[in-house]
Amino acid sequence: GESVGLHLPTLSVQEGDNSIINCAYSNSASDYFIWYKQESGKGPQFIIDIRSNMDKRQGQRVTVLLNKTVKHLSLQIAATQPGDSAVYFCAEGGYTPLVFGKGTRLSVIA
Amino acid sequence: GAVVSQHPSWVICKSGTSVKIECRSLDFQATTMFWYRQFPKQSLMLMATSNEGSKATYEQGVEKDKFLINHASLTLSTLTVTSAHPEDSSFYICSASLGRGRGGAQHFGDGTRLSIL
Repeated sequence: GESVGLHLPTLSVQEGDNSIINCAYSNSASDYFIWYKQESGKGPQFIIDIRSNMDKRQGQRVTVLLNKTVKHLSLQIAATQPGDSAVYFCAEGGYTPLVFGKGTRLSVIA
Repeated sequence: GAVVSQHPSWVICKSGTSVKIECRSLDFQATTMFWYRQFPKQSLMLMATSNEGSKATYEQGVEKDKFLINHASLTLSTLTVTSAHPEDSSFYICSASLGRGRGGAQHFGDGTRLSIL
C-alpha cells in the first residue's frame, strides 16, 4: 500500500549547525504534508506544514521543501540547538487519513 | 491555542481490568478526534477516528469491542481499554483536527503510558 518513509533513522549534528531531515512518500495523490517533533514521553508537536501547490515554506528556524517530481520532503532546521533533540516525523494527509513516517531521531552534540 | 489535554498521563493496572483514557480539547471544539497507539521506537499507528455524536471508525485490525470509544461532546473523547492484558501495554495518544477532516493538521495530547501487569 501507499506509505510514507524516512531515509535516515538517526541524525547527529553539532550545535549551531544546520540539520536536514528527509522523508520520501509514495502516494502521488498526497496534497498535504506535515512535520511533527516528538520529545520523549510526549505527544507529537506540530512544526510546519506545506500543501502540494508549494515547493517551499519557511517558519521560525525551520524550512520545509517539497519535491513532487521525486516525491521527497525535507525539514531543514537552522542553527540547531540542544532543545531540537527529538524524534521528527513527517506525515502525509489531505483527503485521506494522516499517515506517519517511521521517524528520525535528531541528536544535537553540544 | 489548539491545546489538547489527555488524562491520565500514566497508569499501571492489573491484567483483566479496564482503563479509561480521556482526551479533551481545551480551547476549541473538535467534531473529530483520533486515537493512536505507539510502541517504543516506532511510529504512531492510527487506531480509530472518534466522531462526535456517532460511532467511531476503527482501522483494520483494531478490535472495536476491545477499545471502546465515546465522543459525547465537542470537547471530550474517551478510550476505554477493556479487560486489558500485558500486550495492551503501550503509549496511547489522542489528537484533534482543526480542519480538513481526517487528513488535516492534528494537534496532539501528551499521551498516556499504559502498563498492564
